[in-house]
Amino acid sequence: GQQLNQSPQSMFIQEGEDVSMNCTSSSIFNTWLWYKQDPGEGPVLLIALYKAGELTSNGRLTAQFGITRKDSFLNISASIPSDVGIYFCAGRTPFAGNNRKLIWGLGTSLAVNP
Amino acid sequence: DVKVTQSSRYLVKRTGEKVFLECVQDMDHENMFWYRQDPGLGLRLIYFSYDVKMKEKGDIPEGYSVSREKKERFSLILESASTNQTSMYLCASTLMRSGSHGYTFGSGTRLTVV
Repeated sequence: GQQLNQSPQSMFIQEGEDVSMNCTSSSIFNTWLWYKQDPGEGPVLLIALYKAGELTSNGRLTAQFGITRKDSFLNISASIPSDVGIYFCAGRTPFAGNNRKLIWGLGTSLAVNP
Repeated sequence: DVKVTQSSRYLVKRTGEKVFLECVQDMDHENMFWYRQDPGLGLRLIYFSYDVKMKEKGDIPEGYSVSREKKERFSLILESASTNQTSMYLCASTLMRSGSHGYTFGSGTRLTVV
């Protein structure tokens, strides 16, 4: 199935640093979702975006729906050890019709050194 | 708080066994999904269901079947388990038919086939 290009694949940072990751698609999307998966758990929704240019924050997390509708960005400010996990982007195209499936990135694995 | 509950966190089964993975949601969601997650491959959709007794194949249905006899329960069946089905299995559900408000995931079942 179709997948999103998510980068970087992994990051190892120092506590307190800011983090940026992004997802790109070859086709336009009308929904972008960002999830976090803690070790040994299922993914949890962090932020949902529905309009081009939309910028949404959730605590230290900020995500943006790219103007081209083909990309999205997630930023984490002042990282802390509990930010460790895998971050996934997911989305839907406007051509999905009755297709309810989400398209997923492969994830960005984040490690934080205290 | 809404919940998706997977019956087992860890399972070890022998090659050739018939394996049932159970998922229950308490949110009255119509839509339920089964994914498997493997390192470097992200989340891959196995099967999904939009209603009781309805099922559709995802991207990797081979070797699996599903059952949805009640709205709240979606079962994944490995007819004859094989070692290449060793994986983390994630169940998810969503209310919106488009899935655009995101999925709620269970905590996952880590299955090892020996």
